[in-house]
Amino acid sequence: AAGVIQSPRHLIKEKRETATLKCYPIPRHDTVYWYQQGPGQDPQFLISFYEKMQSDKGSIPDRFSAQQFSDYHSELNMSSLELGDSALYFCASSLALEYTDTQYFGPGTRLTVL
Amino acid sequence: AQKVTQAQTEISVVEKEDVTLDCVYETRDTTYYLFWYKQPPSGELVFLIRRNSFDEQNEISGRYSWNFQKSTSSFNFTITASQVVDSAVYFCALNDYKLSFGAGTTVTVRA
Repeated sequence: AAGVIQSPRHLIKEKRETATLKCYPIPRHDTVYWYQQGPGQDPQFLISFYEKMQSDKGSIPDRFSAQQFSDYHSELNMSSLELGDSALYFCASSLALEYTDTQYFGPGTRLTVL
Repeated sequence: AQKVTQAQTEISVVEKEDVTLDCVYETRDTTYYLFWYKQPPSGELVFLIRRNSFDEQNEISGRYSWNFQKSTSSFNFTITASQVVDSAVYFCALNDYKLSFGAGTTVTVRA
């Protein structure tokens, strides 16, 4: 079965640079979520999209922005990167924006900021 | 606000032992869904099971079983006859249109 695809899998950036992470949800899933997981921590919700509209926002820095495109893929743009942004970034997708729906996660993008 | 507590930080067992992971949650919602996810050393987050709040019947799926008790706000997860491949971090999560995770329990299964 098709899973959530994230690219790139690994990314190394310098401080103050910009990064773009991409997420391709499971086919027919119209809801996408982004989570950030720091070392030794649990995943923290950043932002979600339903039918190309932002549906909820968590602890996402103003330096980060995201959008969902017409083909339902999503991109997380991160600017002015800081050392503390080094983390594993997960994208998840679900069939719809319902609390009953299971969120399926991609393999994650490991971002290292030097 | 949603809150999920996993009091066990680490559990270490020998292969074939059973492992029970505790999860306690807080929510003001009357209906909700709870989940368990597994994160192996490779890093991906794998969905294991989910349970709705209005069905307290405990279930078994292969070597996994779970015990949901609404009265105590607990959603415990058991791995029967553990194997080395079960070594991972296990997260309990509550869904409020976004997942709120517990801190995770690291399970180490020794051969």
